[in-house]
Amino acid sequence: KNEVEQSPQNLTAQEGEFITINCSYSVGISALHWLQQHPGGGIVSLFMLSSGKKKHGRLIATINIQEKHSSLHITASHPRDSAVYICAVRLTGGGADGLTFGKGTHLIIQP
Amino acid sequence: NAGVMQNPRHLVRRRGQEARLRCSPMKGHSHVYWYRQLPEEGLKFMVYLQKENIIDESGMPKERFSAEFPKEGPSILRIQQVVRGDSAAYFCASSPQKGTARGTEAFFGQGTRLTVV
Repeated sequence: KNEVEQSPQNLTAQEGEFITINCSYSVGISALHWLQQHPGGGIVSLFMLSSGKKKHGRLIATINIQEKHSSLHITASHPRDSAVYICAVRLTGGGADGLTFGKGTHLIIQP
Repeated sequence: NAGVMQNPRHLVRRRGQEARLRCSPMKGHSHVYWYRQLPEEGLKFMVYLQKENIIDESGMPKERFSAEFPKEGPSILRIQQVVRGDSAAYFCASSPQKGTARGTEAFFGQGTRLTVV
């Protein structure tokens, strides 16, 4: 079982719809990141969270430390939001110093 | 202030050749992470370096792979005697301080897409 699980794996929606992508983790973390990757492109950091909620434009990220769960929401979705969204955590205590990643959610927004 | 710069963006190597991937961190960042993204798989941590030191290489394959971050110049990920299975996207990220303890945000480069033919 992966330490970071994302759902759904694939999501196709119509322009304007409210989008939710979920991330669950099974280990202790010091921070959780939401990343965006366009096809053939680089990785952009959207949010880094250790508690609560953050908002940037049409994007909202929340985290529940007790439940070990985070969500990424996109309001008024647009075709340019089509990308892979990746949840990543930074582990506390032992283990590698880098991030541990989910497999990503492939989002397609149709016009 | 330029972001994390990786070059080349695309690299094609024949089996048995060497691949050198370069990463220049953001100005003022002294911590570099390398990650590998195999086709249809998620990103995996490879190695974490500070200037002139390898801090954590627990994600690096034991053979053929090495990394360095010299006092001057970019960080280099070196793959010797490449095989088809090395074909992947390799991403570099930098941060101004150690990430584990403080959850520091990391900034990613555009990646180098290595194709072994």
